[in-house]
Amino acid sequence: GAGVSQSPRYKVAKRGQDVALRCDPISGHVSLFWYQQALGQGPEFLTYFQNEAQLDKSGLPSDRFFAERPEGSVSTLKIQRTQQEDSAVYLCASSFGQGSYNEQFFGPGTRLTVL
Amino acid sequence: EDQVTQSPEALRLQEGESSSLNCSYTVSGLRGLFWYRQDPGKGPEFLFTLYSAGEEKEKERLKATLTKKESFLHITAPKPEDSATYLCAVCNAGNNRKLIWGLGTSLAVNP
Repeated sequence: GAGVSQSPRYKVAKRGQDVALRCDPISGHVSLFWYQQALGQGPEFLTYFQNEAQLDKSGLPSDRFFAERPEGSVSTLKIQRTQQEDSAVYLCASSFGQGSYNEQFFGPGTRLTVL
Repeated sequence: EDQVTQSPEALRLQEGESSSLNCSYTVSGLRGLFWYRQDPGKGPEFLFTLYSAGEEKEKERLKATLTKKESFLHITAPKPEDSATYLCAVCNAGNNRKLIWGLGTSLAVNP
């Protein structure tokens, strides 16, 4: 079956613009995670959904970041008034079970460049 | 504070030259330790989960081991296709909603 997909794969935004990043998880996966990965770094947790409920958003760096998963499948990460420090790869992952102790399946990521 | 430290940052091996990658961790209660592989331009790919000290898991040329303070990823007779960044992450039993990740070890295997 299809894996996790993300779109767009690449996004260039001017500072101050709003962007929306989409994640299509594997069908039936309960858990969905968003991560931010800077060049040469490991992924940094942003937020976690269990079905449609956002159970942990402690990693969102500021109130300019907002994520939703309204029907418990597709998720969108929105960044308002983008800043240069937002430039990174944004990874989405899904897993069948609840929580982080199950295998996570990652998408290819969206590379965001803010000019 | 939960923390994961990986060493070395980068490793270059000749094809067939075995070695080990290290992942040291501090966590108040380990729920699981994970190894992932990441190729350039792609998302991480799951390799292993280890749950308790003394546990070992193998897959092809890779073998992961776990103690109470660290994990090793042993690579036996590596091939050029094993070149990638290897990431280690831990899940805290007290907060199983997120993984704490290391910075990774970049492995290059020369033919």
